[in-house]
Amino acid sequence: AQKVTQAQTEISVVEKEDVTLDCVYETRDTTYYLFWYKQPPSGELVFLIRRNSFDEQNEISGRYSWNFQKSTSSFNFTITASQVVDSAVYFCALSGWEAAGNKLTFGGGTRVLVKP
Amino acid sequence: DAGVIQSPRHEVTEMGQEVTLRCKPISGHDYLFWYRQTMMRGLELLIYFNNNVPIDDSGMPEDRFSAKMPNASFSTLKIQPSEPRDSAVYFCASRGGPGNTIYFGEGSWLTVV
Repeated sequence: AQKVTQAQTEISVVEKEDVTLDCVYETRDTTYYLFWYKQPPSGELVFLIRRNSFDEQNEISGRYSWNFQKSTSSFNFTITASQVVDSAVYFCALSGWEAAGNKLTFGGGTRVLVKP
Repeated sequence: DAGVIQSPRHEVTEMGQEVTLRCKPISGHDYLFWYRQTMMRGLELLIYFNNNVPIDDSGMPEDRFSAKMPNASFSTLKIQPSEPRDSAVYFCASRGGPGNTIYFGEGSWLTVV
């Protein structure tokens, strides 16, 4: 069975502060995918990033960066110099590699509130 | 490019009524998913299709829920009869193949009173 845990339910920061969202996962698959999605107050789910389990390179996209550590089964997400528009719920998710493991298992989400 | 399109965006219905949610996946995607989001249970998979065939419906809560995919560009999720506990956001999502990114629609916000 797959499981994704986002221990932080809510994080509140002041604009321009950095914020790191933790994600820990469990899977028996040797290869798998990890995702982050953003859900702004308007409600839609916006894809942010996908990582393959065999690629442990960290990734940076603008103010967003991701730290994947297979040894600790973690895929953490950092927003640098946060902005009010970053206020949203962020979900970490996991899916299997083979056809039978296509479904996404989501964590509970972390609500980020960025205050001006 | 058009994303996943869902309708209606919002629906308020009375208990006992039939509810039909609709989804048009991204063209060329061969996987379609229905998810439900509630405060209590978070995001949970209800059912998914591959090439219009239901593959895993173990998440469908009970017989009141049914889903169909008559062709590659259309799917429905039906609740009959609806109950207040069905109130949730229902997301449709599609994917272009195993391991590819899953893209979500904007969701259908259902309230059953």
